[in-house]
Amino acid sequence: GESVGLHLPTLSVQEGDNSIINCAYSNSASDYFIWYKQESGKGPQFIIDIRSNMDKRQGQRVTVLLNKTVKHLSLQIAATQPGDSAVYFCAEKWGGSQGNLIFGKGTKLSVKP
Amino acid sequence: ETGVTQSPTHLIKTRGQQVTLRCSSQSGHNTVSWYQQALGQGPQFIFQYYREEENGRGNFPPRFSGLQFPNYSSELNVNALELDDSALYLCASSPRQGSNTGELFFGEGSRLTVL
Repeated sequence: GESVGLHLPTLSVQEGDNSIINCAYSNSASDYFIWYKQESGKGPQFIIDIRSNMDKRQGQRVTVLLNKTVKHLSLQIAATQPGDSAVYFCAEKWGGSQGNLIFGKGTKLSVKP
Repeated sequence: ETGVTQSPTHLIKTRGQQVTLRCSSQSGHNTVSWYQQALGQGPQFIFQYYREEENGRGNFPPRFSGLQFPNYSSELNVNALELDDSALYLCASSPRQGSNTGELFFGEGSRLTVL
């Protein structure tokens, strides 16, 4: 039989298009929300974070939106490039333990040239 | 600046054996966290070390233990290995305890296969 965990949500976009990756979180008490990118065979790499008292934060080619009403987080990537192909994880941080992040299941982004 | 390094990169063990994984934190970082990442899943927090003491633990049994050394490097030890322990084990470091953001610096992981 199949293992549910092996089938990541997948987003396929054309190079140059914008990408939007969505995430639902669970803990209203989380104080930071973070996006990580994980390329095949590598560890997760920090992209951007947002504090819980904000609703939008922009970085270089990326924007994170936080909707606390519906507990929803999104990552927007502008002008998606082949190098953006990876699995993207949202994560929550709550409590005083800096290293204790709760990761979501991930979304696989594939960029078609 | 040297990033987080982990060893070994791959290893194979059999059920019931013990394993030790090693991590050198990024230069200047004194906090180390360990994560388990099963295939197709997000990383799961095992525990964190700060000032050579465990400082936060996830939902893992006591056969998962660790150490942090004065130079901030760390070890993860797993006793009585089970098949479900097969996973990528990630080490992450951060600059200091109590920093507000969730920015962690991950190594490339140790891939453990238990037969």
